[in-house]
Amino acid sequence: DGGITQSPKYLFRKEGQNVTLSCEQNLNHDAMYWYRQDPGQGLRLIYYSQIVNDFQKGDIAEGYSVSREKKESFPLTVTSAQKNPTAFYLCASRGLTSQPNEQFFGPGTRLTVL
Amino acid sequence: GENVGLHLPTLSVQEGDNSIINCAYSNSASDYFIWYKQESGKGPQFIIDIRSNMDKRQGQRVTVLLNKTVKHLSLQIAATQPGDSAVYFCAENIRAAGNKLTFGGGTRVLVKP
Repeated sequence: DGGITQSPKYLFRKEGQNVTLSCEQNLNHDAMYWYRQDPGQGLRLIYYSQIVNDFQKGDIAEGYSVSREKKESFPLTVTSAQKNPTAFYLCASRGLTSQPNEQFFGPGTRLTVL
Repeated sequence: GENVGLHLPTLSVQEGDNSIINCAYSNSASDYFIWYKQESGKGPQFIIDIRSNMDKRQGQRVTVLLNKTVKHLSLQIAATQPGDSAVYFCAENIRAAGNKLTFGGGTRVLVKP
């Protein structure tokens, strides 16, 4: 099956700890994205990467970090500097020459800070 | 659902009736608009899209209307079914901004049997 996988589906962390969310795609897409979703709000862009070893900040990058060492993988680290990390995190990918409607989303990771 | 809002605007519709979901966008430079459907605990799924040089596009049971004068987008679902219950988001794409998508706040649709 081709697609985007995110793991784990549910993640719990203690306050003050860093945690890394996984995102993998086998669609051969160049661009990958991380979004955050909070109750009552739409998706907000955290970071995106259009090519391996390069990434840019989105609208709410503070307290997050990413890496893009491989085309297939775009892990997101939620650091202790993120003030309100409890949220639903969505990863997406898209081919650089694809139409905007060809941005595909993963199933999401629900992060809860205890 | 666990990942969608407690405070989202909600549209309750009787099964079989038509649904209309509205969205206001902000950027005149947006060149492409997309509607997504998100079921509880899942990622958004593409429904239908429309380019900025169009004012109407039809799919299977869905129609998107675009009014650029007032920066308004709507999604019409014909003969709404229980499986249509979800949260619906509009998104605007701006090619000049690196093809990033900006999402609206979402509308929850509840279909009553």
